[in-house]
Amino acid sequence: QVQLVQSGAEVKKPGASVKVSCKASGYTFTSYSIHWVRQAPGQRLEWMGWIKGGNGNTKYSQKLQGRITLTRDTSAGTVYMDLSSLRSEDTAMYYCAREIVGAGFDSWGQGTLVTVSS
Amino acid sequence: DIQMTQSPSTLSASIGDRVTITCRASQSISTSLAWYQQKPGKAPNLLIAKASSLQGGVPSRFSGSGSGTEFTLTISSLQPDDFATYYCQHYVSYPFTFGQGTKLEIK
Repeated sequence: QVQLVQSGAEVKKPGASVKVSCKASGYTFTSYSIHWVRQAPGQRLEWMGWIKGGNGNTKYSQKLQGRITLTRDTSAGTVYMDLSSLRSEDTAMYYCAREIVGAGFDSWGQGTLVTVSS
Repeated sequence: DIQMTQSPSTLSASIGDRVTITCRASQSISTSLAWYQQKPGKAPNLLIAKASSLQGGVPSRFSGSGSGTEFTLTISSLQPDDFATYYCQHYVSYPFTFGQGTKLEIK
């Protein structure tokens, strides 16, 4: 079955960077895109960006452009989300999710809590 | 960016009730709309895609309808497992924005 397993919780200081991984299994990695979505405490889900598993093309939210980088390692079936210049407002649960084209996100990782605090 | 607005933000209902949640898009999104259920501490779970297409394994008491800018999610007879927060999301263009969520509470 499709599984997305994310790396563990992180605590970072303001100005630092964080890298969260999302390991995919149970499907052909290069045939699907992976999206990242975050959710600050008590807030709505916020779309951050995506990366195509096949060619590695990316698209980022304008809000995060310049601070977010998505990469993938096809041999490891893993996607990485790098967020730099962290601020307290970046404290959130971060999720990766697989997109079914034209049909939303059918599988999600378990979430990675990133806490930004001095 | 396309804005998604859900109503109500909170809904109190009883077991067996029929409930409807509305999602409005700030511009037409055809039927490029998904509904998710999220329980505390868990990732969202896809219920419905393409506005009305029920995902495999989702109980038939859930249904979706609408096109253009107005959409609804209906639960025909509430069960204890249905008390959660529900989000709509469009995927017609980037960014794929979500509604603010509707928290379904036990009355």
